[in-house]
Amino acid sequence: AQTVTQSQPEMSVQEAETVTLSCTYDTSESNYYLFWYKQPPSRQMILVIRQEAYKQQNATENRFSVNFQKAAKSFSLKISDSQLGDTAMYFCAFMKPESSGDKLTFGTGTRLAVRP
Amino acid sequence: DAMVIQNPRYQVTQFGKPVTLSCSQTLNHNVMYWYQQKSSQAPKLLFHYYDKDFNNEADTPDNFQSRRPNTSFCFLDIRSPGLGDAAMYLCATSRDPLRETQYFGPGTRLLVL
Repeated sequence: AQTVTQSQPEMSVQEAETVTLSCTYDTSESNYYLFWYKQPPSRQMILVIRQEAYKQQNATENRFSVNFQKAAKSFSLKISDSQLGDTAMYFCAFMKPESSGDKLTFGTGTRLAVRP
Repeated sequence: DAMVIQNPRYQVTQFGKPVTLSCSQTLNHNVMYWYQQKSSQAPKLLFHYYDKDFNNEADTPDNFQSRRPNTSFCFLDIRSPGLGDAAMYLCATSRDPLRETQYFGPGTRLLVL
């Protein structure tokens, strides 16, 4: 079974600054995918960024980028130029592809507050 | 806009009284998932449908059941809700299995009195 650990329950960052959220995972699988999802207060969970394990290059999406260290089983999220709208709960998730339907295993989340 | 819709957003039920939560999608995705998210915890997969094939997680209580009458709709039935079933229930969809991103609805928060 896979486990995902987010060791930072809460974080705070000043607007326009950079913040990094940590995530580690444990798996014996070689083929998998990693995701960061954002869940704003009282709003739905949306995808921030995804990483295929077979790709060495770190994924980036505008102000969001990841540092994927496969050997260390680490998958951190960096948010640059933080904005007030980035305030949310952030979940790291592991996905093992399966033909019957993929299963996401989530971490417990990091609550990020962006201060004006 | 194409999306995943969950109704109602908030549901209050009584201890032991059956309740049904609904999820619909306009994405025409083949896979639909139900997750349970308790306060301050990670979402946990209950079960999912790939088309009409139902896949139950081993540790999902028998109290939870699901129906998928067509591609667009999926229901979560809780036969006899207990206090421990109070949670946010999230519906998600993906186009197909094997590496597709899952898209989530806004969730239904269930309160059991």
